[in-house]
Amino acid sequence: EAGVTQSPTHLIKTRGQQATLRCSPISGHTSVYWYQQALGLGLQFLLWYDEGEERNRGNFPPRFSGRQFPNYSSELNVNALELEDSALYLCASSPTGAGGYTFGSGTRLTVV
Amino acid sequence: AQSVTQPDIHITVSEGASLELRCNYSYGATPYLFWYVQSPGQGLQLLLKYFSGDTLVQGIKGFEAEFKRSQSSFNLRKPSVHWSDAAEYFCAVGGIYSSASKIIFGSGTRLSIRP
Repeated sequence: EAGVTQSPTHLIKTRGQQATLRCSPISGHTSVYWYQQALGLGLQFLLWYDEGEERNRGNFPPRFSGRQFPNYSSELNVNALELEDSALYLCASSPTGAGGYTFGSGTRLTVV
Repeated sequence: AQSVTQPDIHITVSEGASLELRCNYSYGATPYLFWYVQSPGQGLQLLLKYFSGDTLVQGIKGFEAEFKRSQSSFNLRKPSVHWSDAAEYFCAVGGIYSSASKIIFGSGTRLSIRP
């Protein structure tokens, strides 16, 4: 069984640009979660999608947005990038709204 | 509000020694509790989880954790650590209802192994 896959592995962007990060959940998992792991700040909850709908959102500005597609894959978009957006972005999936996640290996976003 | 506290930022133990990583949580209802491990530059791997039932939970890689409701704790233990256990460990709490199922993570404990 394929795990949660994230692309790209690394992404380098310039301040002010937009970044798009992608996530494919485990087959059969309908929920996708996004977390930001910045240096020294731990894992911060960003977004939760289930069945194509945004179910919950963390304390992040509106320039962080995303969507979930009919095949349950998901995109995270970050507009107007700032230097402090540099972090490891982790995607996770679960079969229902609860029960523990399976994480992908993450996308390392560097904003210069 | 949900919260998870891991009081130890960094722990160093000798290879072969026993290990206990502390975790305290605050949650208004019956929690789901998790321990994850993260190797450098990698995603998180689930070690074990507690939903209900036996308060001593066995996980992968020889880890176990004990849920103590009276102390709001869910400490992770291993009787004998190996050099490959060096990593960051995260305790997490989640709700049992789908509407509140986002998982809140502690700040992590970095484990170093002394040869």
